[in-house]
Amino acid sequence: DTEVTQTPKHLVMGMTNKKSLKCEQHMGHRAMYWYKQKAKKPPELMFVYSYEKLSINESVPSRFSPECPNSSLLNLHLHALQPEDSALYLCASSQILSGGADTQYFGPGTRLTVL
Amino acid sequence: GQQVMQIPQYQHVQEGEDFTTYCNSSTTLSNIQWYKQRPGGHPVFLIQLVKSGEVKKQKRLTFQFGEAKKNSSLHITATQTTDVGTYFCAGRGSGAQKLVFGQGTRLTINP
Repeated sequence: DTEVTQTPKHLVMGMTNKKSLKCEQHMGHRAMYWYKQKAKKPPELMFVYSYEKLSINESVPSRFSPECPNSSLLNLHLHALQPEDSALYLCASSQILSGGADTQYFGPGTRLTVL
Repeated sequence: GQQVMQIPQYQHVQEGEDFTTYCNSSTTLSNIQWYKQRPGGHPVFLIQLVKSGEVKKQKRLTFQFGEAKKNSSLHITATQTTDVGTYFCAGRGSGAQKLVFGQGTRLTINP
């Protein structure tokens, strides 16, 4: 199974809402990532978890809060977002964070619209 | 910080023509990876290059890693409509924790 799943596929939320994005993988990967992708742009790294610990936070605003409950699951909690946060949010996983086993497997993404 | 530049930004070709995208890093890379993202889709891993001067082929796709491990290219021979999408290179600097993506080359094809 080389699949990373993400829910929901689409999400529309108001600026006062609280919502969560979910990501799951069953490949035994120990590194999991959140990326934000705007149209016609490359994925932009937000957070990286390695062995369920937060390893990288790319100075993401606190209205985005990641959580890694276990080695298979990754959540992104959203609160008080702005319209400019509308984007495709991609989850990815890799065997480990660096070295030769860092090929990333991406999920299909959640397309988020903030009104 | 590490930067990865990719050119061209866009390329439109006739079906059957060849296509090449180039990637240059500001620092030496420990490895470089290539991904393809179809319109409306997500990035899908194509290949990883690790060794200086490495060349790998996948059917009509040829990937090269430069001798200095600072540049890479992807060449597609005789494009087909299924090749449409955005091709991203992503490099990891020596000792760096994260992968840095190039801006991508968007390939469109006239059938």
